[in-house]
Amino acid sequence: KNQVEQSPQSLIILEGKNCTLQCNYTVSPFSNLRWYKQDTGRGPVSLTIMTFSENTKSNGRYTATLDADTKQSSLHITASQLSDSASYICVVSVSGGNEKLTFGTGTRLTIIP
Amino acid sequence: EPEVTQTPSHQVTQMGQEVILRCVPISNHLYFYWYRQILGQKVEFLVSFYNNEISEKSEIFDDQFSVERPDGSNFTLKIRSTKLEDSAMYFCASSEDSYNEQFFGPGTRLTVL
Repeated sequence: KNQVEQSPQSLIILEGKNCTLQCNYTVSPFSNLRWYKQDTGRGPVSLTIMTFSENTKSNGRYTATLDADTKQSSLHITASQLSDSASYICVVSVSGGNEKLTFGTGTRLTIIP
Repeated sequence: EPEVTQTPSHQVTQMGQEVILRCVPISNHLYFYWYRQILGQKVEFLVSFYNNEISEKSEIFDDQFSVERPDGSNFTLKIRSTKLEDSAMYFCASSEDSYNEQFFGPGTRLTVL
């Protein structure tokens, strides 16, 4: 069964600090992996998309890594800001199209001043 | 910047009633999706739609559900006879093609009493 697991479930850090969120997946056949940011009560917003051949991708202060051999990904947030408080969701797409995405349960990140 | 819109933002209905959730995808997008998120749980794929027909659907998308693109701009999700367990946030998304980023709408919160 295709599954995406994330850790930690929740994280609280001080403003300005860095953090790393983890994602493990068992989706097969793999097509691509995405990280989304979801504010409470809002729709997810895409941060990065990585295919099998990509090891890292950055979007401003967000840097995602992918190890397709171990089926792990991470999202690193640098110099956190209060507006980074949100849920971060790892999403994996099955090969053949992105039509059916498998979502992780997310990491709830809280930035405190 | 173009965005996906959804109406209503909140729908309250009695169990057994029919509801129609409406979405206006981004205008040049060809692929449309519905997802749901039960409170406190992960986002779940319901259905994808391309070229005026369903291209993929999950086990959640049973006979109670249907989708339609009644005109050139709207994309609707109909639940024929709502159940208590249909209470959730329903997100519409669209993408240019099956491999591109999916853009999510703000969601419709459905409450079934």
